[in-house]
Amino acid sequence: AQSVTQLGSHVSVSEGALVLLRCNYSSSVPPYLFWYVQYPNQGLQLLLKYTSAATLVKGINGFEAEFKKSETSFHLTKPSAHMSDAAEYFCAVSDPGSQGNLIFGKGTKLSVKP
Amino acid sequence: KAGVTQTPRYLIKTRGQQVTLSCSPISGHRSVSWYQQTPGQGLQFLFEYFSETQRNKGNFPGRFSGRQFSNSRSEMNVSTLELGDSALYLCASSTLAGGSTDTQYFGPGTRLTVL
Repeated sequence: AQSVTQLGSHVSVSEGALVLLRCNYSSSVPPYLFWYVQYPNQGLQLLLKYTSAATLVKGINGFEAEFKKSETSFHLTKPSAHMSDAAEYFCAVSDPGSQGNLIFGKGTKLSVKP
Repeated sequence: KAGVTQTPRYLIKTRGQQVTLSCSPISGHRSVSWYQQTPGQGLQFLFEYFSETQRNKGNFPGRFSGRQFSNSRSEMNVSTLELGDSALYLCASSTLAGGSTDTQYFGPGTRLTVL
């Protein structure tokens, strides 16, 4: 069965610092991977999506993620954190054998200090 | 293009009651998935509908059911509510057949509180 592990339920960075949110997946077939962001009392917004076209994926709001098959990782980064980046971030993998089913990690709450 | 809409946004019910939540997908989207989000269990898949047919179901009891209408709008129903059903219920729609390559777009959710 597919699974996603996000290391660190809480990450705190200073404004202007590098953001690194970790995601590892388990998959026996090439996966499709997603990063979503959730602001308080809102739904999930897609940040970026990996579909095997390129290992480095650029998303919205300056975020990007790199797919590393050898490490089964899909870490999310942003060079310089902004206060507005404070939110919860979810990594997800689609299950090719289960239509319409995204398998999510537990989420990482990002805090940005001034 | 309008996003995914969910109604109502907030609901308070008591144990034993039933509840119906509604989801309107993005225009042109035919696949609708439902998820339950709780602090303890995180985001869990409930079911997925495409062209009025339930194609996939997560590991939830039969008290959780849903349907999809010809205009792709979807409803989910929870009968005999339990305290543990308190959660944020999220609906997502996608353009294609809900396959693994497709992107799911989420609504704002319905916050259900069971007292």
